[in-house]
Amino acid sequence: QQKVQQSPESLTVSEGAMASLNCTFSDGTSDNFRWYRQHSGKGLEVLVSIFSDGEKEEGRFTAHLNRASLHVSLHIREPQPSDSAVYLCAKSNTGYQNFYFGKGTSLTVIP
Amino acid sequence: GPKVLQIPSHQIIDMGQMVTLNCDPVSNHLYFYWYKQILGQQMEFLVNFYNGKVMEKSKLFKDQFSVERPDGSYFTLKIQPTALEDSAVYFCASSKQGREQYFGPGTRLTVL
Repeated sequence: QQKVQQSPESLTVSEGAMASLNCTFSDGTSDNFRWYRQHSGKGLEVLVSIFSDGEKEEGRFTAHLNRASLHVSLHIREPQPSDSAVYLCAKSNTGYQNFYFGKGTSLTVIP
Repeated sequence: GPKVLQIPSHQIIDMGQMVTLNCDPVSNHLYFYWYKQILGQQMEFLVNFYNGKVMEKSKLFKDQFSVERPDGSYFTLKIQPTALEDSAVYFCASSKQGREQYFGPGTRLTVL
């Protein structure tokens, strides 16, 4: 069973301050890592997909992947109250690309 | 962007009854998935479906579960009979080539 661990469980930041979320996984063989966001009662919104070691930026969202340390992070630049949501880290296996999710980090951005 | 719809958004049924959850995937997608999220726990993969067949399933996909997509219509998850532990939010996803999965908003199933 593939494991995905997220930290912290919850995070509160002030509007405009950088928010950093972390994710560790049990093995680095997946070819696809992804950060999703889930607003309360809504579906999943893809934020960043990353396949290679290094950095991938999508607007205000930047993911860093380091397979050797089994770690992927998400940095949110200039967060706004509308960014308050649960952020999910996911990794996929090969083949049919089923995703394995962490429990999520609940982010609150205060004005 | 492309949208996956799920019907209904919330379903309440008595234990032992049958329930069918419906997913309207993106129109040209070929791969379909169901995930289950128990309240307060992480989302977990249940099953994927391609070319009219289940390709992979997890240990959570019990014998009481079945999936189908008759005549290219809804992609359905049927649970018969339901059990209390089936209460969860069920998310459907679809993708064209397996990588860019689009998720629906989920169906909250409550088994009493």
